[in-house]
Amino acid sequence: KQEVTQIPAALSVPEGENLVLNCSFTDSAIYNLQWFRQDPGKGLTSLLLIQSSQREQTSGRLNASLDKSSGRSTLYIAASQPGDSATYLCAAEGGSSNTGKLIFGQGTTLQVKP
Amino acid sequence: AAGVIQSPRHLIKEKRETATLKCYPIPRHDTVYWYQQGPGQDPQFLISFYEKMQSDKGSIPDRFSAQQFSDYHSELNMSSLELGDSALYFCASSLGRGNSPLHFGNGTRLTVT
Repeated sequence: KQEVTQIPAALSVPEGENLVLNCSFTDSAIYNLQWFRQDPGKGLTSLLLIQSSQREQTSGRLNASLDKSSGRSTLYIAASQPGDSATYLCAAEGGSSNTGKLIFGQGTTLQVKP
Repeated sequence: AAGVIQSPRHLIKEKRETATLKCYPIPRHDTVYWYQQGPGQDPQFLISFYEKMQSDKGSIPDRFSAQQFSDYHSELNMSSLELGDSALYFCASSLGRGNSPLHFGNGTRLTVT
């Protein structure tokens, strides 16, 4: 059974810092890994999706990497801004069935202080 | 760009009542997923539909049922509501199954009193 873990649970940094959020998963047989952003009481916004055959994806100041063999993914945020404050969730898709079902981690709540 | 539309945004029900949540996927998306997110919890997969057929089933209680209609919108029906059903219910849609980004709606916040 796939389990997804995110460390740390919470992170507070001053504006301008580069930071890394970590995600680990127990079953390396995934189809892809997706990173989401969630603002309090809001929906999930997809940030990056890394296919199982890929090693990383980039979008603006965000870079996500995937290492299936070690069961890890990281989300790198460059030059953080107060507007980046949110909860970041990673979710793994796959395993034995290709149904698009995502298994989520519990998220890292990021606070970027001005 | 059109997004996933969920209605209602908020719903307050009493114990043992019934609730119906609606989801309208992004145009041309043929797959719909339902997730439940309890307070302070990560989203948990409930059920999914592909081309109007149930595709996969997660931790959905027997009191809940769902379907996808011919226009691809989906409804989640919840009966005999319990206090523990209070949560944010998300619908997501994608084009096809697997390896396609899921696009989430803003959710329906259900409060059971």
